[in-house]
Amino acid sequence: DTAVSQTPKYLVTQMGNDKSIKCEQNLGHDTMYWYKQDSKKFLKIMFSYNNKELIINETVPNRFSPKSPDKAHLNLHINSLELGDSAVYFCASSQQGNTEAFFGQGTRLTVV
Amino acid sequence: AQSVTQLGSHVSVSEGALVLLRCNYSSSVPPYLFWYVQYPNQGLQLLLKYTSAATLVKGINGFEAEFKKSETSFHLTKPSAHMSDAAEYFCAVSDESFQKLVFGTGTRLLVSP
Repeated sequence: DTAVSQTPKYLVTQMGNDKSIKCEQNLGHDTMYWYKQDSKKFLKIMFSYNNKELIINETVPNRFSPKSPDKAHLNLHINSLELGDSAVYFCASSQQGNTEAFFGQGTRLTVV
Repeated sequence: AQSVTQLGSHVSVSEGALVLLRCNYSSSVPPYLFWYVQYPNQGLQLLLKYTSAATLVKGINGFEAEFKKSETSFHLTKPSAHMSDAAEYFCAVSDESFQKLVFGTGTRLLVSP
């Protein structure tokens, strides 16, 4: 019974395409995140949502648009994909005020 | 701003040897500190956390870490390495408002027979 699940696990697409990554958590948490891990394994937060409200947007390009239809889901839509967007994207969740985050398995995005 | 520094991008040990992965933090408030492990092609799994209670924190898989305020350190140790411990290890600190984690650059642990 996966706590934080993301789909797809792998995504290969051409430059200029638009793609989405979905994330769902069944832990009852009210805060969800997107982190990006680059080719050097460096992890950095992109967004966080608390009860469907955007809390953090770490100067991510406008081509990235998160959407939280409810507190158990946080999807990431990326427009006009660029080569530099290639990375592993992790969804995570936590309880508000508790930054102990539970991570999904990651989505490896490759833009060709 | 909060930050963590992990010394050594790679650490190699023999099976059965002591594991020591170093993490130093910088924080303007009493920190919450975490160690996560990432196995190949997998997500991050919490090993242990420090949240201002006991300074010696025990985690899963025989790992432990000691919070030393005077040294601003939170090093991860395990008395005896196992082949299955080979992975990437990340130290992280909560930001000042406890709204996100700030990660170190990671340390790859290699375990040889």
